[in-house]
Amino acid sequence: GQQVMQIPQYQHVQEGEDFTTYCNSSTTLSNIQWYKQRPGGHPVFLIQLVKSGEVKKQKRLTFQFGEAKKNSSLHITATQTTDVGTYFCAGLRSNYQLIWGAGTKLIIKP
Amino acid sequence: EAQVTQNPRYLITVTGKKLTVTCSQNMNHEYMSWYRQDPGLGLRQIYYSMNVEVTDKGDVPEGYKVSRKEKRNFPLILESPSPNQTSLYFCASSFLGVGSYEQYFGPGTRLTVT
Repeated sequence: GQQVMQIPQYQHVQEGEDFTTYCNSSTTLSNIQWYKQRPGGHPVFLIQLVKSGEVKKQKRLTFQFGEAKKNSSLHITATQTTDVGTYFCAGLRSNYQLIWGAGTKLIIKP
Repeated sequence: EAQVTQNPRYLITVTGKKLTVTCSQNMNHEYMSWYRQDPGLGLRQIYYSMNVEVTDKGDVPEGYKVSRKEKRNFPLILESPSPNQTSLYFCASSFLGVGSYEQYFGPGTRLTVT
């Protein structure tokens, strides 16, 4: 079953507000990847984190990997309509199996 | 253009009728995998392959078969489809080794089993 818990399942924000999604694994991960899936589309790779405590930024997106390599977060500052979609984390196990979170859907309130 | 292709994109079939969904990549990737995506459950890995003739079960392999006879192709076979296999299926590929394991996804195959 699912071994990477991702919360929340949905997040409704006003345009311009911040958004955060969290992933927690029951086991230590070799790395963690983040993907974005637009409605009707396929997942698209955003970033990979490998080192304990790593923080990476992509413009308004900030990604963190926990010290124990069991948790991660994605934070978007000042959301825009182009950020709409579902964000997934995926943890790589030592046997190269990828375990995915259930995703967080970002919805911009009209 | 670097890409992962899947065929067919849409398929409606009946219980028990064997089917194959093809997946092909042109990036010389070692790693290929199949996922199913169901609402609220995210992506669940069915099978993955780290190279030709090497395949491993993912989280939900029951009812599926795969083969990896060539590096570029990784077909998904449903020998006797059942309604609970109605889902959106994605094939993905990546390099395997030091560095990024960025997964490149195909466009998806929406399967309905009646």
